[in-house]
Amino acid sequence: GENVEQHPSTLSVQEGDSAVIKCTYSDSASNYFPWYKQELGKGPQLIIDIRSNVGEKKDQRIAVTLNKTAKHFSLHITETQPEDSAVYFCAASRGNYGQNFVFGPGTRLSVLP
Amino acid sequence: GAGVSQSPSNKVTEKGKDVELRCDPISGHTALYWYRQSLGQGLEFLIYFQGNSAPDKSGLPSDRFSAERTGGSVSTLTIQRTQQEDSAVYLCASSFLVGTSGSSSTDTQYFGPGTRLTVL
Repeated sequence: GENVEQHPSTLSVQEGDSAVIKCTYSDSASNYFPWYKQELGKGPQLIIDIRSNVGEKKDQRIAVTLNKTAKHFSLHITETQPEDSAVYFCAASRGNYGQNFVFGPGTRLSVLP
Repeated sequence: GAGVSQSPSNKVTEKGKDVELRCDPISGHTALYWYRQSLGQGLEFLIYFQGNSAPDKSGLPSDRFSAERTGGSVSTLTIQRTQQEDSAVYLCASSFLVGTSGSSSTDTQYFGPGTRLTVL
């Protein structure tokens, strides 16, 4: 089955700097890669996603890149702000139903003012 | 529109008691998932419902755990004879399954706020 690894497990950056979180997956049939942000005491919220026919997607300060050959994808946050502090989860999915979403273990991002 | 809702938000119970956790998915979403998140950990898949199909129960950790989904909408996760290791946040998510002949794909999952279960 699918296995998703995520690095780093914790990340501290200064406000205004960029943050990068990387995930690798094992199932070459995976074709959908969402990123979720989870704030303390809340459920995960989708922040950006990418499908296998696209190499990069950007939404304001957030971007995701995908390398299907190497089976890895990354989340990039530019001009970080204190409110970006949260736990971020990546996931990989084949898109067929069943236990199709496999999540990474999460990255705790701290943006220091 | 309204998002996924879960109740209760917090539940404290004694070891050995049964608990029921409820999830109201987004209206029109055909797929519903339950996950468990232990403190500081990632998301552990428990069970998946899709329309009238048999649920995928492959993630349930023991026969003390069960779930049902009535009328293709509201779902209830039941934990019998709770143990201290059941303490966690239980998250529900829903998504809209899009299907085409010979294939299907699941759209983005939207999560509820979770139920924090504490077993004393």
